[in-house]
Amino acid sequence: DADVTQTPRNRITKTGKRIMLECSQTKGHDRMYWYRQDPGLGLRLIYYSFDVKDINKGEISDGYSVSRQAQAKFSLSLESAIPNQTALYFCATSDPAGAYTDTQYFGPGTRLTVL
Amino acid sequence: DQQVKQNSPSLSVQEGRISILNCDYTNSMFDYFLWYKKYPAEGPTFLISISSIKDKNEDGRFTVFLNKSAKHLSLHIVPSQPGDSAVYFCAASASTDSWGKLQFGAGTQVVVTP
Repeated sequence: DADVTQTPRNRITKTGKRIMLECSQTKGHDRMYWYRQDPGLGLRLIYYSFDVKDINKGEISDGYSVSRQAQAKFSLSLESAIPNQTALYFCATSDPAGAYTDTQYFGPGTRLTVL
Repeated sequence: DQQVKQNSPSLSVQEGRISILNCDYTNSMFDYFLWYKKYPAEGPTFLISISSIKDKNEDGRFTVFLNKSAKHLSLHIVPSQPGDSAVYFCAASASTDSWGKLQFGAGTQVVVTP
């Protein structure tokens, strides 16, 4: 079984709809992240969480919100979806074991299309 | 403003030859660098990393070189194999950032031809 899972894998929705993307992990990591990938821009950080009580905005958090329901679950919500939120969304986890080992492990991604 | 740049969106290389992927960064606080590989319909997977105290790190067919003065790193794949066809992302972080956030480049699509 995959260590980091995302649901749904694909979603098509309409402008103005509320959408929730879910992420679960079995790696036991405290840190979780949400990214979006757009062509030509790479991966950009939306939100990150270092434990259930700690939520932080990334570089492109406008229009998004998150919920850390448990150590293993981190959800991303689009309260009112708009077409420029069409992108590939990735969840990631990490568990730093030292100063230079903060490797992140990614889920398979959710392809979201907003019409 | 992108702090990590991969200026070549694509690279085509013959099987058995060397693939060289380049990455430039602007933030002098970055001191840890990673390469991720991504296949279609999958998430990025960690490939290799290097800290700023080194100028080279090797893992099998993959070698990463770091030139701190030029703020440049490169990934060498030797020999290239068809399974290496993927998108490669360069990423960087700063140890002064206690959150350990990564900044990613835009990626380079590598195609290995027979």
